[in-house]
Amino acid sequence: DAMVIQNPRYQVTQFGKPVTLSCSQTLNHNVMYWYQQKSSQAPKLLFHYYDKDFNNEADTPDNFQSRRPNTSFCFLDIRSPGLGDAAMYLCATSRPGRTSGYEQYFGPGTRLTVT
Amino acid sequence: AQSVTQLGSHVSVSEGALVLLRCNYSSSVPPYLFWYVQYPNQGLQLLLKYTSAATLVKGINGFEAEFKKSETSFHLTKPSAHMSDAAEYFCAAATSGYSTLTFGKGTMLLVSP
Repeated sequence: DAMVIQNPRYQVTQFGKPVTLSCSQTLNHNVMYWYQQKSSQAPKLLFHYYDKDFNNEADTPDNFQSRRPNTSFCFLDIRSPGLGDAAMYLCATSRPGRTSGYEQYFGPGTRLTVT
Repeated sequence: AQSVTQLGSHVSVSEGALVLLRCNYSSSVPPYLFWYVQYPNQGLQLLLKYTSAATLVKGINGFEAEFKKSETSFHLTKPSAHMSDAAEYFCAAATSGYSTLTFGKGTMLLVSP
């Protein structure tokens, strides 16, 4: 089945220690997204790649960066995690357009704990 | 700017009762509308979507939603709640030509036996 895969599902890191979360997709979608979701809140878009074009949300902290080496993979790097960065991180993909639709397909998420 | 409002952060129903989760959007142009469900420690799963083909949209797990342009609403319903329906539900909107979604704040559905 075509899907969005996130690894690891659970990640524990230390305060200030860089961490990388990964996402891969077999849907061949051209857009990939990273969201941060805290408890009982809606997902908050951090940034997205439209093909190779990187789009950063205005309020995404500089501590968060992303890489997309090819169509299938996208990485979220947190350079110096703080306690406030503990959250669920969701990756999503889409192929936006009137014929293909605008829905996004989500991975299972990575739960990040900062100690 | 597009906005999505979900009325009620928590909705409680008894098993077998009607489920009604409310969603209103604000847009001068009817957007594409979606309902997602999220179970604990999982990603979001698409329940159904409105893409202007039909105003009454049927989704998975017995859910359906009706698009009402005059009320700028897209409420989610299910005739008979099941315990397994307990989850968080998000309404979202996309505008043609844009690749991002605007989410509502979510509604937690609680189902009691």
